[in-house]
Amino acid sequence: DVKVTQSSRYLVKRTGEKVFLECVQDMDHENMFWYRQDPGLGLRLIYFSYDVKMKEKGDIPEGYSVSREKKERFSLILESASTNQTSMYLCASSPQGQGPHEQYFGPGTRLTVT
Amino acid sequence: EDQVTQSPEALRLQEGESSSLNCSYTVSGLRGLFWYRQDPGKGPEFLFTLYSAGEEKEKERLKATLTKKESFLHITAPKPEDSATYLCAVPPTSGTYKYIFGTGTRLKVLA
Repeated sequence: DVKVTQSSRYLVKRTGEKVFLECVQDMDHENMFWYRQDPGLGLRLIYFSYDVKMKEKGDIPEGYSVSREKKERFSLILESASTNQTSMYLCASSPQGQGPHEQYFGPGTRLTVT
Repeated sequence: EDQVTQSPEALRLQEGESSSLNCSYTVSGLRGLFWYRQDPGKGPEFLFTLYSAGEEKEKERLKATLTKKESFLHITAPKPEDSATYLCAVPPTSGTYKYIFGTGTRLKVLA
């Protein structure tokens, strides 16, 4: 059974804090994604990684960075959290190869920045 | 511009009342269309992939179909546990990773 896990379901942080969101997948997928989901805006891509240490900016990378040191793990970093980063954060993974392929999502992290 | 539009935004059905959700897209050379189910406060759960017009996929009370301009998710005799938000997504015309997601249809099935 495919599985993507995220380090926290709920997180409350203060403005200016550095925030780490961790994602782990056990499917040996090459591709990993970070999205944020806000009411009325749908899913917006923050960053994408297609290999260890490789990353591509998505549609809204400002204020975020990522790290992928191991194939199964993809971290999202908020360098200095702001209230407008309060959102639901979703990690996903998908295989490479002849595609495109469906993405498998984690349970999400509901981040509140106060 | 690549775009995905889902309708209706929200739908309330009585248990057993069949209906369809729509996902229309404007990408050139469709390379796949994906349907997901999302329960409140959780991540989307993959349901179906459709690759070509005329293709159909079924799972329990759900059937997804695809034409050259849109996809339908047909729900037959729904039950309250089918209540969720249903999302569709397509890969972009060019490139491989900036999938375009619709904003979803919120389905509520009343007992």
